[in-house]
Amino acid sequence: DAGITQSPRHKVTETGTPVTLRCHQTENHRYMYWYRQDPGHGLRLIHYSYGVKDTDKGEVSDGYSVSRSKTEDFLLTLESATSSQTSVYFCAATGTGINTIYFGEGSWLTVV
Amino acid sequence: GDSVTQMEGPVTLSEEAFLTINCTYTATGYPSLFWYVQYPGEGLQLLLKATKADDKGSNKGFEATYRKETTSFHLEKGSVQVSDSAVYFCALPSGGGSYIPTFGRGTSLIVHP
Repeated sequence: DAGITQSPRHKVTETGTPVTLRCHQTENHRYMYWYRQDPGHGLRLIHYSYGVKDTDKGEVSDGYSVSRSKTEDFLLTLESATSSQTSVYFCAATGTGINTIYFGEGSWLTVV
Repeated sequence: GDSVTQMEGPVTLSEEAFLTINCTYTATGYPSLFWYVQYPGEGLQLLLKATKADDKGSNKGFEATYRKETTSFHLEKGSVQVSDSAVYFCALPSGGGSYIPTFGRGTSLIVHP
């Protein structure tokens, strides 16, 4: 068990509404990541964090924002959800050194 | 920058067949190398890793050897089971000043009884 939990695990929302996904870790990992996974695209990095209040964009950051106000929590917000953001979202975390990356179980988001 | 290339899937095998999933990488220096597995409906989990050249990682009957000469880390299993059906990802950890790990595109394995 990597100590990473995501919530909600499943959500259906309407186009144009804001949505926040939460990632919580219990291992004091410094680095945290949000990915989306879609058929044919593998894992794509949305945003990442390298410390409290330190975040940066990944390759598919448009329409998403993140916040990390404490080590254990990394929030992903879809400011105004669109159907193209229907996906499975994974949070991941790792520390320094030889970096095994630990993943959450995923959040299935459907935007209708 | 760093990159990982792994074979396209899906790979379809019968139970007890031999499995190879190819992975090659481009990186500065000699990074650690990882294989992750994703079972249906779940997140990725570490399958095995190797931290230096010529190391062999192994777990659950899977093996991979870190070959710096060919910059490869191919995943093998001598006899696959239906329960091995999953998506397999080759990966490099973050390094060289980057905080971002590098993943391959994933290879889907389907094992039939």
